[in-house]
Amino acid sequence: NAGVTQTPKFRILKIGQSMTLQCTQDMNHNYMYWYRQDPGMGLKLIYYSVGAGITDKGEVPNGYNVSRSTTEDFPLRLELAAPSQTSVYFCASSPQGAGRRDTQYFGPGTRLTVL
Amino acid sequence: DQQVKQNSPSLSVQEGRISILNCDYTNSMFDYFLWYKKYPAEGPTFLISISSIKDKNEDGRFTVFLNKSAKHLSLHIVPSQPGDSAVYFCAAPLGVSNYKLTFGKGTLLTVNP
Repeated sequence: NAGVTQTPKFRILKIGQSMTLQCTQDMNHNYMYWYRQDPGMGLKLIYYSVGAGITDKGEVPNGYNVSRSTTEDFPLRLELAAPSQTSVYFCASSPQGAGRRDTQYFGPGTRLTVL
Repeated sequence: DQQVKQNSPSLSVQEGRISILNCDYTNSMFDYFLWYKKYPAEGPTFLISISSIKDKNEDGRFTVFLNKSAKHLSLHIVPSQPGDSAVYFCAAPLGVSNYKLTFGKGTLLTVNP
């Protein structure tokens, strides 16, 4: 199993551009998540999904959109990139979620810089 | 508002000695805690967890202690090894499930040979 994979690893965007961060997991996990980590800070939840077709906002959803058309994929869309979105983005997945204490498995991250 | 706090940004210990990483929390409703470990350029990986019905959980060289009255938990690594050098995050679920984790800012542990 590859686990959770993210592409690209690095990206530089200009202000106002848009892009999609890709995330795929091959563990058949129902739950998937997007986090961002700013320098010297902990991870903040952006969006999460409890299954295909179901998504919900986390702590810091503004400026982002997500979709979940399949169990495996959970892309994160940035519209009108701003310097405040410069961060490292982590995708994660977990087996079940509700009612269970499953750990989350993280991808290697995408380092995004907006200039 | 930070509900999980790691007040030490960094910690340096000698190989073979004990490493103690601390975490405080403000929400008395938290009933489960997790520690994640993160190497540079990698995603966090789960290390160990503890339920609030316990005050200690051990897994090999790693032990987590929970003091509910003080709203404090600590991660002990004995003996510390250079490969333990990483950032350690304390986290807690915001609710009955695991999916809304709130993380501390992390502590960078450096184990010197």
